[in-house]
Amino acid sequence: DAGVIQSPRHEVTEMGQEVTLRCKPISGHDYLFWYRQTMMRGLELLIYFNNNVPIDDSGMPEDRFSAKMPNASFSNLKIQPSEPRDSAVYFCASSLSGGSQTQYFGPGTRLLVL
Amino acid sequence: DAKTTQPTSMDCAEGRAANLPCNHSTISGNEYVYWYRQIHSQGPQYIIHGLKNNETNEMASLIITEDRKSSTLILPHATLRDTAVYYCIVRVVSGSEKLVFGKGTKLTVYP
Repeated sequence: DAGVIQSPRHEVTEMGQEVTLRCKPISGHDYLFWYRQTMMRGLELLIYFNNNVPIDDSGMPEDRFSAKMPNASFSNLKIQPSEPRDSAVYFCASSLSGGSQTQYFGPGTRLLVL
Repeated sequence: DAKTTQPTSMDCAEGRAANLPCNHSTISGNEYVYWYRQIHSQGPQYIIHGLKNNETNEMASLIITEDRKSSTLILPHATLRDTAVYYCIVRVVSGSEKLVFGKGTKLTVYP
């Protein structure tokens, strides 16, 4: 298996622009997570899905952020409009219910908003 | 989920055992102890987890005290590639699927 795939790996944009981050979970996994990591706040959970349904979005910072999972193989995280304080590394992870429920993380997307 | 306390940083000589402590004095009976690590610029990586008994896999060993208030992750023969931030997390497996990451321990393995 290729693991969790994220794209793009790096994104540089200007303030006010829309940003879309993409994630392909491990095939067969039914949980998908979006995390954000900054030096100040560390690694924090933004939202997670179970069977494509959002379960907990309490970590989403504000209305500028939205996430969808239209099918079991894809999720996106959108920021509109983007701001410099959104600069961070965004990780996607997936896991399988039952058992250890280990989360497998993707390589992350480094976002820089100028 | 219960909170954990870890040292901010630790050093270890290459080839020696690295013992990373974690305190979780408020852990509940149904909470597991998980360890993840994050090598610079990469996504976190699962290492091991346990409930009560000591656990071992190809990466590490996990020693949980009898009262479950603390645990130690052991890397038996640390290599330079083990330099990373190590996170100790406690969570209920059957409940929320959240992982709450603290600040972790920055382990530096030196030659």
